[in-house]
Amino acid sequence: QKEVEQNSGPLSVPEGAIASLNCTYSDRVSQSFFWYRQYSGKSPELIMSIYSNGDKEDGRFTAQLNKASQYVSLLIRDSQPSDSATYLCAVRYAGGTSYGKLTFGQGTILTVHP
Amino acid sequence: ETGVTQTPRHLVMGMTNKKSLKCEQHLGHNAMYWYKQSAKKPLELMFVYSLEERVENNSVPSRFSPECPNSSHLFLHLHTLQPEDSALYLCASSQDGDINYGYTFGSGTRLTVV
Repeated sequence: QKEVEQNSGPLSVPEGAIASLNCTYSDRVSQSFFWYRQYSGKSPELIMSIYSNGDKEDGRFTAQLNKASQYVSLLIRDSQPSDSATYLCAVRYAGGTSYGKLTFGQGTILTVHP
Repeated sequence: ETGVTQTPRHLVMGMTNKKSLKCEQHLGHNAMYWYKQSAKKPLELMFVYSLEERVENNSVPSRFSPECPNSSHLFLHLHTLQPEDSALYLCASSQDGDINYGYTFGSGTRLTVV
């Protein structure tokens, strides 16, 4: 059973701080990794994707991937109250099927307080 | 219309009713998915259609019946549901064959079974 694990939180950070969200996965043939943001009562929105080891930056967001440790993280710099949401980690696995099924973690609730 | 559109946004139905959820994607994708999201639970994959063929059915009760008449449309037919089926039902689409592709989600249908 392929698994994606996240700390469900809640993670609480003060406004302006760096929020660090972590995700581990169980299958070494994982191909690509995605972070989604989901506001309460809304659908998930893709905010970052990463495929190679290292860091990928997009504005205030940085995704970090370490395939040897089977670990992917999302850093949010200068956190704002509007960043308060549930963050979902998703992993796309290679092999077995020809279609791109994603496996999602249970999500981490982030609260940014003023 | 752009992206992935789901209708209706909200649905209240009795346990003896029959209703259908509709999803339409305007992205030219070739794969579509139904997910169920219950309160405080991770996303549960229900059905996967790739190139209009159902390629995955995750032990979903027969009271849920999917239909994919073409690559742009996906339906979820509901009948004799139970109160525990109340949840947010999310449709997503993706482009198979491209590992760098994540999902694009629709806004979801909030279903309440009474």
